Amino acid sequence: NAGVTQTPKFQVLKTGQSMTLQCAQDMNHEYMSWYRQDPGMGLRLIHYSVGAGITDQGEVPNGYNVSRSTTEDFPLRLLSAAPSQTSVYFCASRTITPSILQAANYGYTFGSGTRLTVV
Amino acid sequence: AQSVTQLDSHVSVSEGTPVLLRCNYSSSYSPSLFWYVQHPNKGLQLLLKYTSAATLVKGINGFEAEFKKSETSFHLTKPSAHMSDAAEYFCVVRSFGNEKLTFGTGTRLTIIP
Repeated sequence: NAGVTQTPKFQVLKTGQSMTLQCAQDMNHEYMSWYRQDPGMGLRLIHYSVGAGITDQGEVPNGYNVSRSTTEDFPLRLLSAAPSQTSVYFCASRTITPSILQAANYGYTFGSGTRLTVV
Repeated sequence: AQSVTQLDSHVSVSEGTPVLLRCNYSSSYSPSLFWYVQHPNKGLQLLLKYTSAATLVKGINGFEAEFKKSETSFHLTKPSAHMSDAAEYFCVVRSFGNEKLTFGTGTRLTIIP
């Protein structure tokens, strides 16, 4: 059982370049999300999705796009990379069915992260 | 609204002595609380979670945490530190019905041999 898989693990971009960070899970989780981790700031939510075709913004969405065409995949797109987007990116997922009350007992599974440097 | 405050950015303890990592939270609705651990250059691993059941929660690797509603605290403890416990620890809150996780800024735990 692979859990949450993120690719690539490392990436260096030039300012202005675009790229897509991949996130895939094989646990049939409805909820998927992207976080960025910066020193001294914990993790901050970028975008999230509660199911295929449904996405919403988190705390720091500017400069990032997402889509959710399948349950398994939740790619994060950087449209025009900036040095401020240098960070470690984590994808997380969890189940939110069969009910909100039961889903409260389920934890989140995190991927191993993508370390992105924008120069 | 929800927020988390980890009261210490860095904690150092000697191997074999108790560990205490402090966390205070605020939440508009019944919260779920989590502690995650991150070893250097690794992802996040769930240590334990509180979801309105027993207030004393036992996790992996001998860690436990107590939910105290009156003090809005969820401190993480371990009776005896091991060298392998050296890592960064994050306290996380989620309000009932809200999928958004709010992370604390982390506490770096150093174990002195």
